[in-house]
Amino acid sequence: QQPVQSPQAVILREGEDAVINCSSSKALYSVHWYRQKHGEAPVFLMILLKGGEQKGHEKISASFNEKKQQSSLYLTASQLSYSGTYFCGTPANFNKFYFGSGTKLNVKP
Amino acid sequence: NAGVTQTPKFRVLKTGQSMTLLCAQDMNHEYMYWYRQDPGMGLRLIHYSVGEGTTAKGEVPDGYNVSRLKKQNFLLGLESAAPSQTSVYFCASSYKGTGGSSNQPQHFGDGTRLSIL
Repeated sequence: QQPVQSPQAVILREGEDAVINCSSSKALYSVHWYRQKHGEAPVFLMILLKGGEQKGHEKISASFNEKKQQSSLYLTASQLSYSGTYFCGTPANFNKFYFGSGTKLNVKP
Repeated sequence: NAGVTQTPKFRVLKTGQSMTLLCAQDMNHEYMYWYRQDPGMGLRLIHYSVGEGTTAKGEVPDGYNVSRLKKQNFLLGLESAAPSQTSVYFCASSYKGTGGSSNQPQHFGDGTRLSIL
């Protein structure tokens, strides 16, 4: 039930854009996004609740297409502070929660 | 503003030893979770609790036990540690559930780095 993330890793220059995808073989009712910097705890970014919904956090936004069972995270004009590993996650039956395996983003000057 | 506090931060055990990891939250959250994080595998749910006195198995519960005697504390126990349990363990809490009608974010502790030799 673990969602699948792609790509596994991205290297960017400051100011470039990136897209991280999250998909599931099971129906998605909501998608959560987190960012984890090296050696630190994951930090919540946003939750998407409805099909087609888009939300934003600074220059980071996301979309959710429940029909396609996928969500995408968009990082615009990336900054050095965006470096880290991004995880999507989805709630499942009986209050369980499944995270994807993560996408490592490295923004270089 | 402590949030979620995990103790200890680091520990080295020998195979067969036992230990307990403590998670404490001061946000009055109902739900608490234990995850393990291994390279390339993201975070995997070990056990979770939807309230004081209740616990349930997650994705990878074997070899672990948990207890939630008080609302603010969630303990993770390893009865007989094995090298395969070497990992970084994260505790998280949420006000209500992460799905259904609740859709609450999870707040994470700083993690416990556990090595088993």
